[in-house]
Amino acid sequence: EIVLTQSPGTLSLSPGERATLSCRASQSVSSSYLAWYQQKPGQAPRLLIYGASSRATGIPDRFSGGGSGTDFTLTISRLEPEDFAVYYCQQYGSSPPTFGGGTKVEIK
Amino acid sequence: EVQLVESGGGLVKPGGSLRLSCAASGFTFSSYSMNWVRQAPGKGLEWVSSISSSSSYIYYADSVKGRFTISRDNAKNSLYLQMNSLRAEDTAVYYCARDTSMVEGWDVWGKGTTVTVSS
Repeated sequence: EIVLTQSPGTLSLSPGERATLSCRASQSVSSSYLAWYQQKPGQAPRLLIYGASSRATGIPDRFSGGGSGTDFTLTISRLEPEDFAVYYCQQYGSSPPTFGGGTKVEIK
Repeated sequence: EVQLVESGGGLVKPGGSLRLSCAASGFTFSSYSMNWVRQAPGKGLEWVSSISSSSSYIYYADSVKGRFTISRDNAKNSLYLQMNSLRAEDTAVYYCARDTSMVEGWDVWGKGTTVTVSS
């Protein structure tokens, strides 16, 4: 099973600042089958990024994903008020699919 | 509109059973693999089970193997999760998610249904 470790656990930033979230895998993620999700309280996860770097439909271009192999990042170029949420990475190239523990982006 | 709507959650005693449903609309359900994912209160996301488009391939997390059964009815555009021998640690919000089975990932999620296992 591929274990995904996200860091930091919590990121305290102000609107307008840049956020960089990390996701490290215990072994190489197959064919960059790495996704990022955003989840707000009481809501379902929303797909932001798939294939490590492709934005899902309707996702603003301030969200970008990068990385390969075992190290991946999600960058939010300028935080908007609606971006404060919990973010999860997921690998879906190997069975079982696994999620990271999440990074909470909170208002400083 | 592409949509997934879960139902069937509720309060059940330890050792009891529950059947969750996920109704799909707005897309060709029979073309997609589907997944169940759960989230315990205040915790992260945990994959539970997957089923291929024709039910040929079925997978379970070790934590539910032998107790949960995933199934689907393509004629009814519905996904199911039969949960038996429920434990307190199965308490969670259960989501169904559409699986593109390609690099596009799990692109559509339902709002979830809450299962509480308590005496």
